[in-house]
Amino acid sequence: GEDVEQSLFLSVREGDSSVINCTYTDSSSTYLYWYKQEPGAGLQLLTYIFSNMDMKQDQRLTVLLNKKDKHLSLRIADTQTGDSAIYFCAESILGFGNEKLTFGTGTRLTIIP
Amino acid sequence: DAGVIQSPRHEVTEMGQEVTLRCKPISGHDYLFWYRQTMMRGLELLIYFNNNVPIDDSGMPEDRFSAKMPNASFSTLKIQPSEPRDSAVYFCASKGTQETQYFGPGTRLLVL
Repeated sequence: GEDVEQSLFLSVREGDSSVINCTYTDSSSTYLYWYKQEPGAGLQLLTYIFSNMDMKQDQRLTVLLNKKDKHLSLRIADTQTGDSAIYFCAESILGFGNEKLTFGTGTRLTIIP
Repeated sequence: DAGVIQSPRHEVTEMGQEVTLRCKPISGHDYLFWYRQTMMRGLELLIYFNNNVPIDDSGMPEDRFSAKMPNASFSTLKIQPSEPRDSAVYFCASKGTQETQYFGPGTRLLVL
């Protein structure tokens, strides 16, 4: 079955790195996504990784995938106040753009000045 | 493109009343999704359409909920009668083939 889990809260000092973790259970997941939700807004796609990759870097964002442990992480370097949001990981099966995504519970990232 | 448009942005109603939420997907997208977000249950997929046809409505909570997509540019989610436990943020999302989903800003529903 599909189940995606995340810790609910993370607090980080401004300028430090944030690491948000996610575990999933379905080994047939082909794409894994990170979405960002700012207060009062919808979810916005940040980045994604294909399951045959170990790492993907995009400016301040680094995604690490450990397929053996079914563990996904998002690292945000030099965390800024604008990074305060809820971060969701999501998995899809059977290919990019697959109709259904399974979302985690979301991690609320708080930046400490 | 204006993105996915949802209306109203906020809705306050009394228990027993009918509630209709509206969504306009991004032009050219052939998939449309309705989600519900609550603190207790997180983000849940209610139903999705492909080319205006409902494909999977297994997430619809009960018969009080119904969704329609009469054409490629408009969808509604209706709750009748509404109950306090329906209070949540309802998101609409759309996508094209081989794309990821783009979310609307959501409708915040409060049922008193």
